[in-house]
Formats: sequence, C-alpha cells, structure tokens
Amino acid sequence: GAVVSQHPSRVICKSGTSVKIECRSLDFQATTMFWYRQFPKQSLMLMATSNEGSKATYEQGVEKDKFLINHASLTLSTLTVTSAHPEDSSFYICSARDRGGGREKLFFGSGTQLSVL
Amino acid sequence: AQSVTQPDIHITVSEGASLELRCNYSYGATPYLFWYVQSPGQGLQLLLKYFSGDTLVQGIKGFEAEFKRSQSSFNLRKPSVHWSDAAEYFCAVGASSFGNEKLTFGTGTRLTIIP
Repeated sequence: GAVVSQHPSRVICKSGTSVKIECRSLDFQATTMFWYRQFPKQSLMLMATSNEGSKATYEQGVEKDKFLINHASLTLSTLTVTSAHPEDSSFYICSARDRGGGREKLFFGSGTQLSVL
Repeated sequence: AQSVTQPDIHITVSEGASLELRCNYSYGATPYLFWYVQSPGQGLQLLLKYFSGDTLVQGIKGFEAEFKRSQSSFNLRKPSVHWSDAAEYFCAVGASSFGNEKLTFGTGTRLTIIP
C-alpha cells in the first residue's frame, strides 16, 4: 500500500541550530501534505498545510519564519525548524494526501522526535 | 471550534479480554470521526471512520466504533484483544469524510496488553 516516509525519526540538536525534517510519499504523488506537532500529553495539532509549488498555509499561532515549509516536488515536503530552542522540542508528524485512482486517502509518516538541548 | 477528548491516557487489558476506548467530541456541524492507531516506529494508520449512515462502524483488525450523537461520543471497541493491538490510539474529528482537512486529534490512549 501507499507509504509515507519521514526522516529522521529522532534528532537531538543544540539550541540555536536548525533542523530539517523530510516527508516523502513513496508510491504516489502528493500535492498536499500536512505537518502536525504533538507536545507530551497533548493532542496532535495541525501546524500547516503544504501545497506543492506554492506557499504553505499556517495555522493560527504558528510562526512561519520559525517553521519553514518547502514542498518543491510532488513527493517531498520539508519542515525546517530554524534557530531551535528547547521549547521547540516536540513530536512532529507529517501526512500526505493521495488522490490517485479516484480515491482520496490520507497517509501518515512515522513522526520525528525533536529534542533541543 | 472542534475538539476531541480521550479521557484515558493509558489502559491495560489482558490478552483475550474486551476493550473499549473512549472518545468525546465537540463539533458544530455533522462530525466526521476517525480512529487511528500508531504502533511504535510506525505512522498513523486509519482503523475506521464515520461520516453518515449506520452509527456502528466496522473497521480493520476487528475494531468497531459506535457514534452516539446524544452523548457526543465515538468509542472504539474490540471484543477480544491480541498482543499485537498494543499501540497508541487516536480519535480525531475532521471537516470532511476523507479526513484530509484540518483533523483535530485527541491526546491519544496508550494500550498495553498483558498475557
């Protein structure tokens, strides 16, 4: 079946550095991908909607200059956490929309645990 | 605004026993409701969804869920759990039946299975 690959699964970085997370649709083209964040013991929260070839749409309260999203191809979206700080430590997960073959499904990556020291 | 509450953070069940995971939602219109499961190191997998019709929904892996509008609930059930069911379960509400528009998730319920 369709698979979404998210990399890395875990990353530890120093405060002030930038971290890039990749989300790839492996066997379908995804014009739309979604990025979520989950703090410990809280819900998965939608951060932004990533559209291939255009600017991402950010949810209220999410800093677009802090969380840079690039969706340059139909199979890859990246989330870059710029100048990361300890409060950015969280679980980030992407999903990709598959509209192929007359169906419409949403597939999730396995998530990235970011720890900022 | 839509919201989802999963009251149980962690549930432990004996293998072979029945299971019910609770989910309550708040949504202004007809809700589209989903249950996802996440096994360690895996992405979220859709178990089942409800958007209209029969209020008892059958899903994969022997799971079912019942939509109760009067209680604003969408509880997930399984008559007999298997050790492989140990995972994190998320209830979600969305604006469309495909679940691709601004899903709102609950905090998740971690299920542990004991022999």
